[in-house]
Amino acid sequence: DTAVSQTPKYLVTQMGNDKSIKCEQNLGHDTMYWYKQDSKKFLKIMFSYNNKELIINETVPNRFSPKSPDKAHLNLHINSLELGDSAVYFCASSQDDLIMNTEAFFGQGTRLTVV
Amino acid sequence: DAKTTQPTSMDCAEGRAANLPCNHSTISGNEYVYWYRQIHSQGPQYIIHGLKNNETNEMASLIITEDRKSSTLILPHATLRDTAVYYCIVNRSGGTSYGKLTFGQGTILTVHP
Repeated sequence: DTAVSQTPKYLVTQMGNDKSIKCEQNLGHDTMYWYKQDSKKFLKIMFSYNNKELIINETVPNRFSPKSPDKAHLNLHINSLELGDSAVYFCASSQDDLIMNTEAFFGQGTRLTVV
Repeated sequence: DAKTTQPTSMDCAEGRAANLPCNHSTISGNEYVYWYRQIHSQGPQYIIHGLKNNETNEMASLIITEDRKSSTLILPHATLRDTAVYYCIVNRSGGTSYGKLTFGQGTILTVHP
């Protein structure tokens, strides 16, 4: 079973549209994230949720709205898509333990192309 | 989080050890050194992490200098499938800041036959 799964893997859409990317993890983790990898291959965190609550929002435009219906899911909804939103979006999860450090598990990515 | 410096690219022959260096001279006492890699078209994959002692797992070894200002990731017997971008990341332990992994440009490791 895939630990962190994202759908769709590829998404091509026109400017101005609204789209969603879904993410699910079956690891029992309580923290989930969205990262964006742009054309220059830099990976940057966008959001972090812990137990369904937002804990990190890295100055992402309001057009991006994460939604966490439960601990195992963190979906990313994007309104009014722009050309600059084209990138690969990665979902990740980890067990945020205040004592022990653990690693983050990443999904396979969603390649979003806005035309 | 402390900044890291890595060489842009490295080559390694298949079957030989790959030694990937990382400088993190501004690391503070509660920051761990993490290594991730990203194989083409895949999500980043955790490799190993450590605080001050050397660490080894089934994938790699991590050697951290005594002053903690630099470290080396060692892949003991590199294979073609180890060709990837390797990221050295310094991250604070625990708390809500965990998971905010700050990826740099990484080192492109090419393993050739």
